Amino acid sequence: KAGVTQTPRYLIKTRGQQVTLSCSPISGHRSVSWYQQTPGQGLQFLFEYFSETQRNKGNFPGRFSGRQFSNSRSEMNVSTLELGDSALYLCASSLLAGTETQYFGPGTRLLVL
Amino acid sequence: KNEVEQSPQNLTAQEGEFITINCSYSVGISALHWLQQHPGGGIVSLFMLSSGKKKHGRLIATINIQEKHSSLHITASHPRDSAVYICAVGIGGGADGLTFGKGTHLIIQP
Repeated sequence: KAGVTQTPRYLIKTRGQQVTLSCSPISGHRSVSWYQQTPGQGLQFLFEYFSETQRNKGNFPGRFSGRQFSNSRSEMNVSTLELGDSALYLCASSLLAGTETQYFGPGTRLLVL
Repeated sequence: KNEVEQSPQNLTAQEGEFITINCSYSVGISALHWLQQHPGGGIVSLFMLSSGKKKHGRLIATINIQEKHSSLHITASHPRDSAVYICAVGIGGGADGLTFGKGTHLIIQP
């Protein structure tokens, strides 16, 4: 069974631009969670989607948004990029929502210049 | 909000040594996760537990709900165990997602 895939793997943007990251979960998994990892803050929860509905959201500004499609694939969008948005963005999928075992993708490394 | 503290932050040991990494949290949880992250970023979920003890190969995870404390043990450590180990907790039904510790950077020297 294929693992979680994320595209693109690397991305360079400039301040003020917007970016869309994509995550394809393991086949059959209906929950997708997104995380941001930075050297200073470590791993932080962004949001979780289950059956196309945002189930919960972490403490991030409204510039961070996401959605989930009927095939469980998910996208996250960051608008008006700031230098501090430079990070590794990870998604993880699980069979069900909540605190199930999560399977992580390789991440998208975003650099904002 | 749950606070998650891990210790030690850094640990260097010799191959074959018994390793213990600790995790403490401040409020009641529904589940605790131990994750492993290798250089390059890939994260692997090692354990999810809500009570007692789990074992997988040379890895053992324990949790004490009353004391709000969990430990990850590695027996007969090997250089390939070198990684960052991260503790994460979820509160009832994952209402607030996972809260993560800062991680323990483990280096096993041959």
